Amino acid sequence: DTAVSQTPKYLVTQMGNDKSIKCEQNLGHDTMYWYKQDSKKFLKIMFSYNNKELIINETVPNRFSPKSPDKAHLNLHINSLELGDSAVYFCASSQARQGGSPLHFGNGTRLTVT
Amino acid sequence: QKEVEQDPGPLSVPEGAIVSLNCTYSNSAFQYFMWYRQYSRKGPELLMYTYSSGNKEDGRFTAQVDKSSKYISLFIRDSQPSDSATYLCALGSYQKVTFGTGTKLQVIP
Repeated sequence: DTAVSQTPKYLVTQMGNDKSIKCEQNLGHDTMYWYKQDSKKFLKIMFSYNNKELIINETVPNRFSPKSPDKAHLNLHINSLELGDSAVYFCASSQARQGGSPLHFGNGTRLTVT
Repeated sequence: QKEVEQDPGPLSVPEGAIVSLNCTYSNSAFQYFMWYRQYSRKGPELLMYTYSSGNKEDGRFTAQVDKSSKYISLFIRDSQPSDSATYLCALGSYQKVTFGTGTKLQVIP
């Protein structure tokens, strides 16, 4: 039974399109995240939600908009996709919002923009 | 200067070797120290977690933290081919976790 699941696994699209990635966790955690991992494996936080409230919003273009309909779900919508958006996007959850709370990751969505 | 520095490798060792992976950091606000393992095409998974200076052992894995030098290490004893993965250090402050760039490890049978 997958703890953090995200769909789709792969996403290939053209520049200028709008796309969404969905994430669900069944761990009962209060906090969910979106991370971006570039080709050099660097993992950088984009957003964090605690019980549907946005608590971290790093310097991310406003073409990226997270939405949390409930504390078990966190979706990521991306408008006007650019070549530089190609990366692997990971959803994660943790029990608490503090930086010491271990993260549980999904298996990623590999986005390729052509 | 990056907040967290980690040698990207790749690091290639023979099976049975002792592996040492290291990170340095500059921010004294980091209070939590973690190592994650990431297999190819998978999400990172938590391997070790500690919040104090000193050593913490779990099976073949030992995490070491030196807060005075701002240096953390992960040792893997009797390395196995199944240990081949990317290892990411992760440091937590009150608000968030900052990851190192990861070290790719290959254990050759």
